[in-house]
Parts: sequence; structure tokens; C-alpha cells
Amino acid sequence: GAVVSQHPSWVICKSGTSVKIECRSLDFQATTMFWYRQFPKQSLMLMATSNEGSKATYEQGVEKDKFLINHASLTLSTLTVTSAHPEDSSFYICSARAGQGAEQYFGPGTRLTVT
Amino acid sequence: GDSVTQMEGPVTLSEEAFLTINCTYTATGYPSLFWYVQYPGEGLQLLLKATKADDKGSNKGFEATYRKETTSFHLEKGSVQVSDSAVYFCALNHRGGNTPLVFGKGTRLSVIA
Repeated sequence: GAVVSQHPSWVICKSGTSVKIECRSLDFQATTMFWYRQFPKQSLMLMATSNEGSKATYEQGVEKDKFLINHASLTLSTLTVTSAHPEDSSFYICSARAGQGAEQYFGPGTRLTVT
Repeated sequence: GDSVTQMEGPVTLSEEAFLTINCTYTATGYPSLFWYVQYPGEGLQLLLKATKADDKGSNKGFEATYRKETTSFHLEKGSVQVSDSAVYFCALNHRGGNTPLVFGKGTRLSVIA
């Protein structure tokens, strides 16, 4: 099946710094990528949807200036957590889809810890 | 809007026991239904899916049947193994659309030897 990778798999950063997480579709072109956030023992919360070459669409309650999403190519999307704070600590999962109606494939996730 | 409701966990079973994880949904039209599995420290993997009423999805001994009349998609396995310990998510989306998956809250399964 299709493979989606994320980098890094885990990261620890200090409060106030910014962190970039990469999501890549390795063997297909992803016209749409999704970013989810997962709190411990909870479900996935959709943060935003990004289509290649256009601005991301953020879900209600998600700060677009804090969680910057870029989908510059058909195989790469990035999530930058700006001025991170301890409450941003979470498991971030990306997902990619090859086209409308196509299956969503998930990355392995990135665990962010802000100290 | 669309939503998915799963039974609360955690569920703890002995090896070779029968598993049922209930899932019901609320959606307009005729969504596609999915079960995803998340092993510890990993991302989500598609376990099985069904795209229309009365379809049965199956994989690795797990199965679920799309029941339109009860808006349900319960996950079952006849004999669980320790390696099945994971979190299971029920999800839906609309065929042909560009909307993302809508997930239930997940059910943690622990299988003990």
C-alpha cells in the first residue's frame, strides 16, 4: 500500500521556540493532506486540510498563526508549531490522499514535547 | 454534522476470546465506513472498510458489516490474540468527496495470555 512518512518521529523543544514537522507521501502524489492532533487516550482531532499549491483550511478553534501549514509540492506538507508552549505537547499525525474520493493514508505520527 | 460513536474502552479480553466493538454513525446520505487500528507508538492503519449497505469488510480475522437500518458497523473477531492489543477507531467519509475521515473516539483493546 501507499506509504506516508513523518519526520521527526519525536521532538523535544523549549517553550517559545518553533518546531517544523514534515509529512511526505513516498510513492504517490498527494493532492490533499490532512493534519490531526491526538491527545493521550483520545481520538484524532482534525486541525487542517491542505491542498497542494493553495492555503490550508483550518478547523474551527485551530489558530492558523500558531500552526502554519505549507503544502508546496504533491509529496510534501509541513506543519510548523510557532512559539510552542507546553499545552502544544501532543501527538501530531498527517494523512495524505491521492485525489477526490481516494483512500486516506496515515503517517506514523510525531510526538512533540514542549518543556 | 456527521459523527461516529464507539463503545467506551478499555476492553480487556483473554486470548482466544470473542471480540465485539460497537460502532454507530450519524451521517447524511450513504457514507463509506472504516475501521482503523493503531498499535502502540504508531500511526493508523486501515483494517477494513465497507462502502455500501450490507457489505462486509474483513481482514486478519476481523470483520464488520455495514448495517444501514441500524446505522452500525460493529467490529468482530472470533478469537483474539495478544498481538491484537491496540486502539481501534471507527470512521466514515463520503464517497467521491474530498472531506476528511470522521473518527470515533477509539476503543483500547488489551488481550492477555
